[in-house]
Parts: sequence; C-alpha cells; structure tokens
Amino acid sequence: SQKIEQNSEALNIQEGKTATLTCNYTNYSPAYLQWYRQDPGRGPVFLLLIRENEKEKRKERLKVTFDTTLKQSLFHITASQPADSATYLCALDIKGGSYIPTFGRGTSLIVHP
Amino acid sequence: SAVISQKPSRDICQRGTSLTIQCQVDSQVTMMFWYRQQPGQSLTLIATANQGSEATYESGFVIDKFPISRPNLTFSTLTVSNMSPEDSSIYLCSASRGENQPQHFGDGTRLSIL
Repeated sequence: SQKIEQNSEALNIQEGKTATLTCNYTNYSPAYLQWYRQDPGRGPVFLLLIRENEKEKRKERLKVTFDTTLKQSLFHITASQPADSATYLCALDIKGGSYIPTFGRGTSLIVHP
Repeated sequence: SAVISQKPSRDICQRGTSLTIQCQVDSQVTMMFWYRQQPGQSLTLIATANQGSEATYESGFVIDKFPISRPNLTFSTLTVSNMSPEDSSIYLCSASRGENQPQHFGDGTRLSIL
C-alpha cells in the first residue's frame, strides 16, 4: 500500500542551526511534493512545492530537495529561529491518480533559543 | 493566496445532534475540500465539495453522515450528523485554484461531543 513517512519524534535544535526534516514515501509516483507548516490550533500553511523533474527549490531560508530514486524529500530551514517551531507536513500528489495531495503525519520542530 | 474563513471555530455538542460548519473563501476557487484531523495525526480527506453537484466522498465517509453543500465557487458547508463521541475531532476546510496547485486551509473547527 502507499505510505508517507515522517519522523514522529520531535526534532530539537538550537537557534541558528540548520533544521532538516525528512519525508519518505513508498509505492507512489508523485508528480510533485508539497511542504506545509502547521501551528497549534491553526490550519496548515503552504510553504513550497517541488515537481518531480526538479531536484531542489529554495525560498528565503527554506530549501527542499526531491529524490525520486530514493523516494525521499528533505526540507531544510537554515539559520533557524524559535519562531520556526511548528509541525511540518509533507504532502504528495499521485501521478496518474487523484490530484488531491495525501498528507503525512508531520514532524514537530522545536528551536531552542 | 486565498483566505479561508471557517466557523464555528469550536463547539461542544450533545450526542445525537448535528452541527453545520461553514467555509467561506475570499475569492473564487476551483476546488474545495473537507478534512478531519485527530490530534497528532495526519489530515484525512472526507470529501471534495463540487460546485453545483454532489460531493465526492472518500472511502469510509458517507453522505448521510457528512452531507456537504457547495452552492457557489466561494462557499461550502459540512454537516456532521447524528454525532457520537467518535466524531470529536478537528474539521478543516481547504481550497485550491486547480490541479497541481497548493491548498489553502481554514483554521479548523474543533468539535467535542459529550
């Protein structure tokens, strides 16, 4: 069956360091992958979209990589700040199937001052 | 990006009653969706709200339990019918301008059933 895996354990890092979050998937051929941020009591907020033919995409302090051979996406936040503390969700679209993304469970990031 | 307003933001309801959640988008969008999210869990898609026609439900969700309306391109409602404690969850509305486009979410309705 199709599965999206994100680390269920919270990632704790010090302010100023680079945070790296992982999204692995199985049995998908996604046309693209999205990353969202979710704060407690709020809905997810879209951050970045990367397509299957793109290796890397950047937006300010954010960088996403997409390795369709490894079936993995890495999400990096450089020079992390306490305000970056949130849950980060990856979502995949299935090529040739539903265009509606399927969401992972998310990984909680805690940036300590 | 679209701004999604969802209400109520929370409610506490009695078993056996029904609640209708409203979702308003500040601009016309092609697609609207309803999700459910348990604390610490992923978003589970309930249905796609289709403008002018019946919603498309995902496996495990049925129209009698979760009737959905979408009278136009900016508004949708989800009703949770005959509620039981198992329906306690966060219900989220989202909108997208089309295929392969990001989704924009409301802040959800936190529903508790006594």
